[in-house]
Amino acid sequence: GQQVMQIPQYQHVQEGEDFTTYCNSSTTLSNIQWYKQRPGGHPVFLIQLVKSGEVKKQKRLTFQFGEAKKNSSLHITATQTTDVGTYFCAGGGSQGNLIFGKGTKLSVKP
Amino acid sequence: SAVISQKPSRDICQRGTSLTIQCQVDSQVTMMFWYRQQPGQSLTLIATANQGSEATYESGFVIDKFPISRPNLTFSTLTVSNMSPEDSSIYLCSARDWGEGTIYFGEGSWLTVV
Repeated sequence: GQQVMQIPQYQHVQEGEDFTTYCNSSTTLSNIQWYKQRPGGHPVFLIQLVKSGEVKKQKRLTFQFGEAKKNSSLHITATQTTDVGTYFCAGGGSQGNLIFGKGTKLSVKP
Repeated sequence: SAVISQKPSRDICQRGTSLTIQCQVDSQVTMMFWYRQQPGQSLTLIATANQGSEATYESGFVIDKFPISRPNLTFSTLTVSNMSPEDSSIYLCSARDWGEGTIYFGEGSWLTVV
């Protein structure tokens, strides 16, 4: 079945450093969505990418969707303590559902 | 965007009992899903809730254990039956909106089985 691999599993950074998490799918995705989950919270939608090669920015966050629509990345510039949480990518499945990666847990040291 | 309300938000349940989780969306949505998230883990899809018909279950999940209803476009329930400690988890309702097909999540129901 479809699988979405996400790396790294954990990332510890100093405040102000950059952070990137990567997702790879075994199959071509119809779209990819990114979520952030704070400790004790639920996944909160960040963004959806649909087009091949698409790049979207939200302030310090940059999201990319690969040309083959099999990979994606989230890059955070100059991390802040408010960026702490687990970032999940989720690929659009053939049944309209989402297939989640295992997530990257980001910790930021002030 | 869709706002999704779940209840209960948290419960402690006795082994062998069943609990029904309710999910209400504030607007009509195309699809509704139920996910499980075990502590420190990613989200696993349990089933797709189909309006007026039986849910579509993923591998490893069965209707007898996780009966699901979706009587209309904005409401669904998930029952966790005959609970054991292994069922201790967060259960998340999600819905896909009509526009760009974004999937939103409720705040989750945190179940602890003792």
